[in-house]
Amino acid sequence: KAGVTQTPRYLIKTRGQQVTLSCSPISGHRSVSWYQQTPGQGLQFLFEYFSETQRNKGNFPGRFSGRQFSNSRSEMNVSTLELGDSALYLCASSSRGPDSPLHFGNGTRLTVT
Amino acid sequence: GESVGLHLPTLSVQEGDNSIINCAYSNSASDYFIWYKQESGKGPQFIIDIRSNMDKRQGQRVTVLLNKTVKHLSLQIAATQPGDSAVYFCAEIKLMTTDSWGKLQFGAGTQVVVTP
Repeated sequence: KAGVTQTPRYLIKTRGQQVTLSCSPISGHRSVSWYQQTPGQGLQFLFEYFSETQRNKGNFPGRFSGRQFSNSRSEMNVSTLELGDSALYLCASSSRGPDSPLHFGNGTRLTVT
Repeated sequence: GESVGLHLPTLSVQEGDNSIINCAYSNSASDYFIWYKQESGKGPQFIIDIRSNMDKRQGQRVTVLLNKTVKHLSLQIAATQPGDSAVYFCAEIKLMTTDSWGKLQFGAGTQVVVTP
């Protein structure tokens, strides 16, 4: 079974631009979560989607948004990029709640210059 | 200004010895705890979990202990191997639903270095 796939693996953007990151969950998984990982703040929750509905949202500004499609694939978008948005963005999926472990992808490394 | 990175505590372990990684969690209402392992260039990998109604849970070469009185979690790795070198994170959550995870709160992590 293929794991969580995130594309692209690396991105370099300029301040003020926007970016879209993609996540394909494990087949059959309906829940997708996004996390930001930085050396300064560690792993921080962005949002969670379940069956195309946003279930939870972390404490990030409105520039960070996401969505989930009917095939459970998810995208997150960051608009008006800032230098501080440079991070590893991780997507995780599970088939349902805590009876099913949360499986992480290898992330998208975003660098904002 | 320049951001200051988290200073990860480091645990150096000799190959074959047992490792103990500690974690203090913050929310006394948390009812689910998970340990993840993250190798360089990869995402976190699930190791083992434990619910708050348990004190101990064992997996393959790993044991998680939970002490709710002092809000402390530990991960014991038996017969540590070079492949165990990684950053280990504990995570906690107060479960709100049964069909999705919600917001996991991660600890800062511990770097484990296995020496031959």
